[in-house]
Amino acid sequence: DTGVSQDPRHKITKRGQNVTFRCDPISEHNRLYWYRQTLGQGPEFLTYFQNEAQLEKSRLLSDRFSAERPKGSFSTLEIQRTEQGDSAMYLCASSSTNAGNQPQHFGDGTRLSIL
Amino acid sequence: GENVEQHPSTLSVQEGDSAVIKCTYSDSASNYFPWYKQELGKRPQLIIDIRSNVGEKKDQRIAVTLNKTAKHFSLHITETQPEDSAVYFCAASETSYDKVIFGPGTSLSVIP
Repeated sequence: DTGVSQDPRHKITKRGQNVTFRCDPISEHNRLYWYRQTLGQGPEFLTYFQNEAQLEKSRLLSDRFSAERPKGSFSTLEIQRTEQGDSAMYLCASSSTNAGNQPQHFGDGTRLSIL
Repeated sequence: GENVEQHPSTLSVQEGDSAVIKCTYSDSASNYFPWYKQELGKRPQLIIDIRSNVGEKKDQRIAVTLNKTAKHFSLHITETQPEDSAVYFCAASETSYDKVIFGPGTSLSVIP
């Protein structure tokens, strides 16, 4: 197992376009998290799943953001009608509720740049 | 909701000296406190964590302390080395598998 993987690593798009990111968690992990990190700041929680169920969404997450984890494995994060302020690193993490006290393991992130 | 504050925002030490980073949190329900190290352009990596039933934990040159009454926790790095240079984030969560609230980070520079 190579850990949490995210695709793409970088995404450059024009304002107003839709973008979709993918995250593949560590295979036995049932929880999957999305965070956003802007330059000079700590990661900010966006949403998380247990299996296919979305358990919580940050109130900071606008309606333009949607996340899915349809089969309880990989997850996608879609941003519609992108804005300049969406430029950030989008980090995915995973952990397990089934294997004792497992910390969250992060992927390398997808860096989004809005032109 | 939970709020995590972290000080200092930047820290510069001579190689071999100790570095201390201090954090506070607001939510009494928090019981899990991880520390992550993030090198430039890389993913955050867990370096140590502590749970509320423990006051102190040590792993080689790294130690963390927790004062749950005061809602304070700290990271101590002894005998610092240049490869310790990175941004360090403290964080708080109810459990290791709940959402994590991160502090704003401390940029540590170890001068050879």
